[in-house]
Amino acid sequence: DTEVTQTPKHLVMGMTNKKSLKCEQHMGHRAMYWYKQKAKKPPELMFVYSYEKLSINESVPSRFSPECPNSSLLNLHLHALQPEDSALYLCASSQGPGSSYEQYFGPGTRLTVT
Amino acid sequence: AQKITQTQPGMFVQEKEAVTLDCTYDTSDPSYGLFWYKQPSSGEMIFLIYQGSYDQQNATEGRYSLNFQKARKSANLVISASQLGDSAMYFCAMTRFDQLSGGGADGLTFGKGTHLIIQP
Repeated sequence: DTEVTQTPKHLVMGMTNKKSLKCEQHMGHRAMYWYKQKAKKPPELMFVYSYEKLSINESVPSRFSPECPNSSLLNLHLHALQPEDSALYLCASSQGPGSSYEQYFGPGTRLTVT
Repeated sequence: AQKITQTQPGMFVQEKEAVTLDCTYDTSDPSYGLFWYKQPSSGEMIFLIYQGSYDQQNATEGRYSLNFQKARKSANLVISASQLGDSAMYFCAMTRFDQLSGGGADGLTFGKGTHLIIQP
């Protein structure tokens, strides 16, 4: 089973709202990732968690706040977003350091900021 | 820094024909991995195939094969006997492998993608 789940599928939020995106995997993977994908563009890496610790932050604005409560869960907390943050947010997981390298993606959350 | 170049923004192919999607890369890392992903209009990124920089043989997965030419820094995807369901966006991607940790927890760098349309 290579399933990564993401909720919600769609999210519309105002610029003053606070919301969270959720990602879950039960494959025993120890690395989890957040990517942002604008329309007709490739995904861009935002954050990497390895063994539940933040290992990579690609200079993402502080209005995006990641959290990894346990090895199966990854959250992305959103606050005071801008309309240009509207995008598809993809979560992925992989086995982790020293293991196989494929990243498996969830279906994504389509975020619209109004 | 890593860079992936996909020079074919779009391709039209007749059903049942073989397809080659081009990918070239640039990196200063001695150890790296190359991937191909398929993204249908629904948005999900589907892993297709992986090739390690030190793998001697080209990777194959069912109808997918990766034509890896290390000296030319190319990693083309070949789809044999194309099907209507193969119509999608295809991304080539790479990651570096850290010599200390053994890799496996680094982000992917993607090319701009190729939009493949299979015609009946």
